[in-house]
Amino acid sequence: DVKVTQSSRYLVKRTGEKVFLECVQDMDHENMFWYRQDPGLGLRLIYFSYDVKMKEKGDIPEGYSVSREKKERFSLILESASTNQTSMYLCASSTPGTGGGSEQFFGPGTRLTVL
Amino acid sequence: EDKVVQSPLSLVVHEGDTVTLNCSYEVTNFRSLLWYKQEKKAPTFLFMLTSSGIEKKSGRLSSILDKKELFSILNITATQTGDSAVYLCAVPTSGTYKYIFGTGTRLKVLA
Repeated sequence: DVKVTQSSRYLVKRTGEKVFLECVQDMDHENMFWYRQDPGLGLRLIYFSYDVKMKEKGDIPEGYSVSREKKERFSLILESASTNQTSMYLCASSTPGTGGGSEQFFGPGTRLTVL
Repeated sequence: EDKVVQSPLSLVVHEGDTVTLNCSYEVTNFRSLLWYKQEKKAPTFLFMLTSSGIEKKSGRLSSILDKKELFSILNITATQTGDSAVYLCAVPTSGTYKYIFGTGTRLKVLA
């Protein structure tokens, strides 16, 4: 059974803290993604990675960084958490597809609250 | 600017009803459109559509794409309470691995 796991389901942090969100997939997928999901705004892409050590900015990268040292693991880092980063964070992985896009497999999400 | 718009935003129906959800898109160099179902947690994949007019079907769910009018519909027949969820559509943007998601349609099926 394919699986994407995220390190925490719920997380509460204080403003200014450095926050690490971890994502691990066991499907040997090349592509990995970090999204945040907010009511009325849908899923918005923060960063994605198409190979180890490769990353590209998504639509809302400000205040975030990522790390992909191993193929199966993609980490999202909030350098200095702020209250406007309170959100649901979803990790996903996929194969490159055949040029037409491919199914993304999502993790269960991390609900982050920044106080 | 690429965009994906879903309608309606929310819908409440009774068990046994048929529903039609819409997803319209404006994307350069369109390649495919994907539908997902999101219950309490992670979105799960339903369909990927690449060709106009070819219906994809899975049980009571079906979907079709119209590349001329730039939209897709997701039909659910004989709805059940377990169909209550947010339904998302997503389109990969031109030349990248990035996907644009619509804001979703929240469906509630009453017993």
